[in-house]
Amino acid sequence: DVKVTQSSRYLVKRTGEKVFLECVQDMDHENMFWYRQDPGLGLRLIYFSYDVKMKEKGDIPEGYSVSREKKERFSLILESASTNQTSMYLCASSFWGTLNTEAFFGQGTRLTVV
Amino acid sequence: AQSVTQLGSHVSVSEGALVLLRCNYSSSVPPYLFWYVQYPNQGLQLLLKYTTGATLVKGINGFEAEFKKSETSFHLTKPSAHMSDAAEYFCAVSGGSSASKIIFGSGTRLSIRP
Repeated sequence: DVKVTQSSRYLVKRTGEKVFLECVQDMDHENMFWYRQDPGLGLRLIYFSYDVKMKEKGDIPEGYSVSREKKERFSLILESASTNQTSMYLCASSFWGTLNTEAFFGQGTRLTVV
Repeated sequence: AQSVTQLGSHVSVSEGALVLLRCNYSSSVPPYLFWYVQYPNQGLQLLLKYTTGATLVKGINGFEAEFKKSETSFHLTKPSAHMSDAAEYFCAVSGGSSASKIIFGSGTRLSIRP
């Protein structure tokens, strides 16, 4: 089974802190994604990576950056956390292919910024 | 660019009744379409997907969806609702190429009345 593992289920950070959210997948997927989930807004794409060191902005990249130094690991960075970044963060990965492009998700990290 | 609109943030049906969750998409290229389900405090799980071929696709737990290109729709149905179907459902679209973003709708919460 595909496994996407997010390093923390719950995090509490202070305003202004630099926050790292880590995601690791074990299926050799090329694509990796970071989404933010908020009630009534669904999943909004923050950043997308289709290969090592390659990234594309999603719909809401402001205040975030990402790092993908190894194929299996995709990190989301909040340079200076703010209270409006309190949310559920979901990592996902998918295969490069024409028939198996569905995303597999981690369990999520619920981040609270105080 | 792709986008997804889910009509109805909350749908309530009686146990045994038909479930219909609506999804309309916009895509500049032939789309790949997905339905995901999220149970409380869990990650997202793939219900079904359309890539190419047969436009009526069957998924897990008795759900199915039909791709209608002329209507740009991918509605999710189940003939008879069960209490265990109560969850949040997300429709998603991707561009169908290897390095494509996956864009989600805002979600529909399904409640089942006894």
